[in-house]
Amino acid sequence: NAGVMQNPRHLVRRRGQEARLRCSPMKGHSHVYWYRQLPEEGLKFMVYLQKENIIDESGMPKERFSAEFPKEGPSILRIQQVVRGDSAAYFCASSPSLTGETQYFGPGTRLLVL
Amino acid sequence: AQRVTQPEKLLSVFKGAPVELKCNYSYSGSPELFWYVQYSRQRLQLLLRHISRESIKGFTADLNKGETSFHLKKPFAQEEDSAMYYCALSGTGGSEKLVFGKGTKLTVNP
Repeated sequence: NAGVMQNPRHLVRRRGQEARLRCSPMKGHSHVYWYRQLPEEGLKFMVYLQKENIIDESGMPKERFSAEFPKEGPSILRIQQVVRGDSAAYFCASSPSLTGETQYFGPGTRLLVL
Repeated sequence: AQRVTQPEKLLSVFKGAPVELKCNYSYSGSPELFWYVQYSRQRLQLLLRHISRESIKGFTADLNKGETSFHLKKPFAQEEDSAMYYCALSGTGGSEKLVFGKGTKLTVNP
């Protein structure tokens, strides 16, 4: 099992561009979580998705950010019109079910906005 | 409000010395508590969770509901324990999102 995969590992964007971050959960996992880590901070929850459904997006900024987890393919975190404050590490985690299963983390995508 | 506090940003000990990484939490209800570890150039991984009551790599953590603490302890630190340690909590039921502390960087010196 290759574990949770994220790509790209590093992403550089200029202000105003779009950033697309991808997460492939572990085989057999249908739950995906996105977290953001700003410099010198802990990970902060953004959104929780199941296949084709957003379950909890209480941590998502109200504008410019969106997430999806389609029936086929990876989960996508999309940031439109990026600003310098979006520079952070974005981590994806997956779990097999809702009932207290461990979340397994990917290696993260480091986004740098110039 | 849900909050996890790790008061020590950095902690340095010598090999063979006891180590304790502090974690305090704030949560209305009965949370589940975790310790995650991130070794250099590796991904975040679960070290232990309070419901399993396991000892992993010699580390233990006891949930103290009275003090709302979940401190991580090891009696004899090893150099390979050097890493970032994050305490986290989740609610029981619901989306079970994790709330993380800011982390403690542990350095075990030879």
